[in-house]
Amino acid sequence: AQRVTQPEKLLSVFKGAPVELKCNYSYSGSPELFWYVQYSRQRLQLLLRHISRESIKGFTADLNKGETSFHLKKPFAQEEDSAMYYCALREVTGGGNKLTFGTGTQLKVEL
Amino acid sequence: GAGVSQSPSNKVTEKGKDVELRCDPISGHTALYWYRQSLGQGLEFLIYFQGNSAPDKSGLPSDRFSAERTGGSVSTLTIQRTQQEDSAVYLCASSPRDVRVAEQFFGPGTRLTVL
Repeated sequence: AQRVTQPEKLLSVFKGAPVELKCNYSYSGSPELFWYVQYSRQRLQLLLRHISRESIKGFTADLNKGETSFHLKKPFAQEEDSAMYYCALREVTGGGNKLTFGTGTQLKVEL
Repeated sequence: GAGVSQSPSNKVTEKGKDVELRCDPISGHTALYWYRQSLGQGLEFLIYFQGNSAPDKSGLPSDRFSAERTGGSVSTLTIQRTQQEDSAVYLCASSPRDVRVAEQFFGPGTRLTVL
C-alpha cells in the first residue's frame, strides 16, 4: 500500500536560514507527488507538484526515486512561510485522483 | 468563481447523535473527495465520488459513516451515532474529471466536536 512519511512534526528555523521539509514515500507504481500548504486560518492549497518542476514562492522539490524522497527546500526562509506543510502521493483510482497525505510538518520561521 | 464551500463550519454534538456535513464543489468539477483531519493523524482519505457514484469508499472508518452525492454536485457526509473519536475537521475537495489535472481544491472544512 502507498505510504507517505513526514518525520518532523515541527520544524523551527530563523528567518533567512535554509529550509528542508522531509518527505519519503512508498508506492509500487510510478509516483506523482505534491506539496500542499495550509496557512493559518486558510484552506489547504496546492504549493507544487513534482511533474511541473517549478519553483513556487522560492520552494522547490525534487523527486528522488532511488531514495523514495520528495523533500521540500527553500534557500532563505521568510516569516510568511510559517504554515503547515503536507506531502501527498497521488494514486489513480476509478478515474479519480486519490491523495495519500503525510502527517504534516509545522514550519515556524522565527525572526 | 466560488471555491469549494462546506457547511456548517462548526458542529458540536452529543455522543450518540447523527450529524450531516455538506459540501458544495466547484461548479463543473465531477470528482469530489472527503478527508478527515485529526490532531496528530494528518489527513485521512474517506471517500471519492465521480459524478454520483463512489468507486472508492475504502477510507470510511466504520459503517456509521456514509456519504452520498446528488445531481453530480452537492455531497453529504453522514455520521450516525457519533463517538468522541469522530471529533475532527472534515475536509471536502473537488477536481475536474481529467486525471491529468490532479490538483484538488479544498473547502474550509467542518470542525466536528463530539461531547
